[in-house]
Amino acid sequence: QIQLQESGPGLVKPSQTLSLTCAISGDSVSSSSAAWNWIRQSPSRGLEWLGRTYYRSKWYYDYAVSVKSRLTINPETSRNHFSLQLNSVSPDDTAVYYCASDRRPSSGGSLRFDSWGQGALVTVSS
Amino acid sequence: DIQMTQSPSTLSPSVGDTVTITCRTSQSISNFLNWYQQKPGKAPNLLIYDASSLQSGVPSRFSGSGSGTDFTLTISSLQPEDFATYYCQESHTLPWTFGQGTKVEIK
Repeated sequence: QIQLQESGPGLVKPSQTLSLTCAISGDSVSSSSAAWNWIRQSPSRGLEWLGRTYYRSKWYYDYAVSVKSRLTINPETSRNHFSLQLNSVSPDDTAVYYCASDRRPSSGGSLRFDSWGQGALVTVSS
Repeated sequence: DIQMTQSPSTLSPSVGDTVTITCRTSQSISNFLNWYQQKPGKAPNLLIYDASSLQSGVPSRFSGSGSGTDFTLTISSLQPEDFATYYCQESHTLPWTFGQGTKVEIK
C-alpha cells in the first residue's frame, strides 16, 4: 500500500521560495512504472496540476506552462522522496499542495492520480 | 489547454437516488477521462479511470461512461458517505486539467 506525505513550511513570504517534499513509502521514486506529481488546490484556481518527474532509464520532467519559469521538481533517490520548489511566490500561490502518484499496471493504460498525500496548506503572506 | 466543464455545480439528492454528473471537454479526448471524489479536508480519491474503468476498492454503484467530448459519472442508490465533491480530469494532453467540481450535498 503506497503512502505519500507532504512536508514543509506553512507560511512563506512574498517573493521568497516555497519548498515542499513528498516522502514515498510502499514504492520507489525510481520506479519505471510510476510518475510523481505535484497538484495544488485553491478556491480561485480549483485543482491545478503543476508538474511531474519520472524515471525511464533517465529522469524526465514536465511542468505546467503557468509555473514553468518558477517551478523545479527534484527526485532524491537516497531518501525516496521528491521535492517542489516554487520561486518568487505571491499571495496567488496560496493553496493546498498535494503530491500524487501515477502508477499504471504492466498492461499499460492512461494517466491517473491513484494515490495522494494528505495535502499541505501553504499561505503566502508577509 | 483542454477546458473542462462540469454540470451541475451543485446537486441536492436524497439517499437512494441515482445521481448523474456530466463533464464536457473543449476538444475530443477519446476515453482519457478520470473521475475523483473529494470530501472536506481530504485529498481527492480516484473513482473511475479511462472513462469507465472502476478503480480497485471503489463500490460498484459508481460508474462512468462517454467518449470524445461528453462524459458522465453515475452514482446509483446514493449512500450517506457519497455526499462529497466530484471532479473530472482529462489525461489526454499536458497539462492535465480538472473540472471545477460538482458538489453533492444533502437535501
